[in-house]
Amino acid sequence: GAVVSQHPSWVICKSGTSVKIECRSLDFQATTMFWYRQFPKQSLMLMATSNEGSKATYEQGVEKDKFLINHASLTLSTLTVTSAHPEDSSFYICSARADRGREQFFGPGTRLTVL
Amino acid sequence: SQQGEEDPQALSIQEGENATMNCSYKTSINNLQWYRQNSGRGLVHLILIRSNEREKHSGRLRVTLDTSKKSSSLLITASRAADTASYFCATDGGSSASKIIFGSGTRLSIRP
Repeated sequence: GAVVSQHPSWVICKSGTSVKIECRSLDFQATTMFWYRQFPKQSLMLMATSNEGSKATYEQGVEKDKFLINHASLTLSTLTVTSAHPEDSSFYICSARADRGREQFFGPGTRLTVL
Repeated sequence: SQQGEEDPQALSIQEGENATMNCSYKTSINNLQWYRQNSGRGLVHLILIRSNEREKHSGRLRVTLDTSKKSSSLLITASRAADTASYFCATDGGSSASKIIFGSGTRLSIRP
C-alpha cells in the first residue's frame, strides 16, 4: 500500500507553546487528508478533513483556532496545536486519500506530551 | 464523533481459541474496514468489506457484514499471542461526507 509519514513521531513541549505536526504522502498525491486524535485507551476521533488548497472542515467540538490545519500541497498537510495545554496531550494520527472513494492510508502517529 | 460501538470492549482468550468481535454502526455505509493497533502504535489495515458483500476472508480473519442490522463481526481463528492488540471497525459513508469514522474498539488479550 501507499506510505504516509508523520513528523515528528513524538514531541514534548511546555504549556503555552505551539507545536506543528507534518503529514506527508510519500508516493501518491493526496487530495484529502484527515486528522484524528486518540486519548489513551480510547478510539480515534476525527478532528478535521482537509482538501488541498481549501479550508479544513472541522468536526463538531473541535476548535479551529486552536488546531490549525494547512493542506498547501498534494503531499503535505500540517496540524499546528496552538498554545498547547496538558489536556492536548494525545496521539495524533493523520490519513491521506488520493480520490474520493479510494482507500485511506494512515500515518504512524505523533505522540504529543504537554508539560 | 464516533459511528458506533464495538462489543465486547475487552476480550481475553487462551491462545489457539477463536476470537469474535462485533461492531454496530448507525448510518448507511459504502464500506466497512477493520484495523488493528498495538499499544501506542499506528494502525494496521486488516480487511475491507464493501456494502454489497456479506462475508470476506483473509488468512485467519473472517469478516461478515449485515447491512440490514448495521453490524459487522471480525473472527480471528486459532489466535496467537501476537494477535494481542486493540481492534477497531471503521465505516466510510461514501457519499458527501466520505470520511472514515471509527468504532469504540475491542481490546483483545491472548493468554499463552
